[in-house]
Amino acid sequence: DVKVTQSSRYLVKRTGEKVFLECVQDMDHENMFWYRQDPGLGLRLIYFSYDVKMKEKGDIPEGYSVSREKKERFSLILESASTNQTSMYLCASSGDWGSNEQFFGPGTRLTVL
Amino acid sequence: AQKVTQAQTEISVVEKEDVTLDCVYETRDTTYYLFWYKQPPSGELVFLIRRNSFDEQNEISGRYSWNFQKSTSSFNFTITASQVVDSAVYFCALQGSVQGGSEKLVFGKGTKLTVNP
Repeated sequence: DVKVTQSSRYLVKRTGEKVFLECVQDMDHENMFWYRQDPGLGLRLIYFSYDVKMKEKGDIPEGYSVSREKKERFSLILESASTNQTSMYLCASSGDWGSNEQFFGPGTRLTVL
Repeated sequence: AQKVTQAQTEISVVEKEDVTLDCVYETRDTTYYLFWYKQPPSGELVFLIRRNSFDEQNEISGRYSWNFQKSTSSFNFTITASQVVDSAVYFCALQGSVQGGSEKLVFGKGTKLTVNP
């Protein structure tokens, strides 16, 4: 079974803190994604990566950065957390074009106070 | 631009009722994929189905069925004889032509289904 794991299910941080959200997949997938999910807005893509050290902006990259130093790991970074970044963050991965189903992690519910 | 619309924000039914979740999409790509995901209260999105733009055959999997109609740009999902365990948020998603080597999905805003005993 494909497994996508996220470092925390719940996280509480203070405004201005630097926050790292970690995601690891064990299926040697090329593509990895970070989404945030907010009520009434569905899932919105923040950043994605289709290879090690490669990254592309999604629809709402402002206030976020990412890092992909190893194929299995994709980190989302909030350089200076703000209250409007309180949200559910979902990581996903997918393989080659011929197998493009995205597999999701359990999510991290981040609260910024 | 690509867009997915799930007009039903919330649906509530009684167990054993049939329920259809609507999904309408917009894309200029001739090759694309459509997906349905289920998000139970635990939070993890679960893949249900993938359909490519060249395959308009309806699909049935147990109590679940999907109706893909290119003429109306719709990919509707029906649950027959609903059960309490079907309570979840359901997302429809669209993937168009691969850009820059990536495989972006565009999601609808989701439909929250509540099945009452």
